[in-house]
Amino acid sequence: AQSVTQLDSQVPVFEEAPVELRCNYSSSVSVYLFWYVQYPNQGLQLLLKYLSGSTLVESINGFEAEFNKSQTSFHLRKPSVHISDTAEYFCAVSEGDTGGFKTIFGAGTRLFVKA
Amino acid sequence: DSGVTQTPKHLITATGQRVTLRCSPRSGDLSVYWYQQSLDQGLQFLIHYYNGEERAKGNILERFSAQQFPDLHSELNLSSLELGDSALYFCASSVQWNSPLHFGNGTRLTVT
Repeated sequence: AQSVTQLDSQVPVFEEAPVELRCNYSSSVSVYLFWYVQYPNQGLQLLLKYLSGSTLVESINGFEAEFNKSQTSFHLRKPSVHISDTAEYFCAVSEGDTGGFKTIFGAGTRLFVKA
Repeated sequence: DSGVTQTPKHLITATGQRVTLRCSPRSGDLSVYWYQQSLDQGLQFLIHYYNGEERAKGNILERFSAQQFPDLHSELNLSSLELGDSALYFCASSVQWNSPLHFGNGTRLTVT
């Protein structure tokens, strides 16, 4: 069965420092992997996705994540964070087919960027 | 703006009551998903509909039901409400079965 583990519930970091948000998943079949971000009082927004191909995927605002099949991980990184990156980040795993599709989310990691 | 519309934004009701949450997906999206977000349970997948048909079920209680109509909007019905049903309920839509999800801003349900 699918499961997603986000290893850190909260990550405080100073502005301009690097950050890594960790995500491990378990699944018995091929999966699609996503990171979503949730700002206060809003729904989740897609940050980046891995469907196939290159194992390193990037977002438009400087985040990147690397799919590691052997370690079943999909960690999110940013070399230099901004105050505006403060939000909750969710790792998600999707599996299924045209008959039915589920996206399962991790518990979330609250990133708090301090000045 | 994700293009997914959820109404109402807030709902306050009493235990034992029944409510209906509504979702209009992005134009062109055939898939609709419902999620429940609470502090202790996180984001829980409830149900997936594709073009009017139920396709996958998650941790949805028997007191909850959903449907997707021919115009592709969806409704989530919650009955015999309990205090523990208080949560944010999100609807999401996608264009294909393996595409990223686009979320609405949610309906905050408070059961008193």
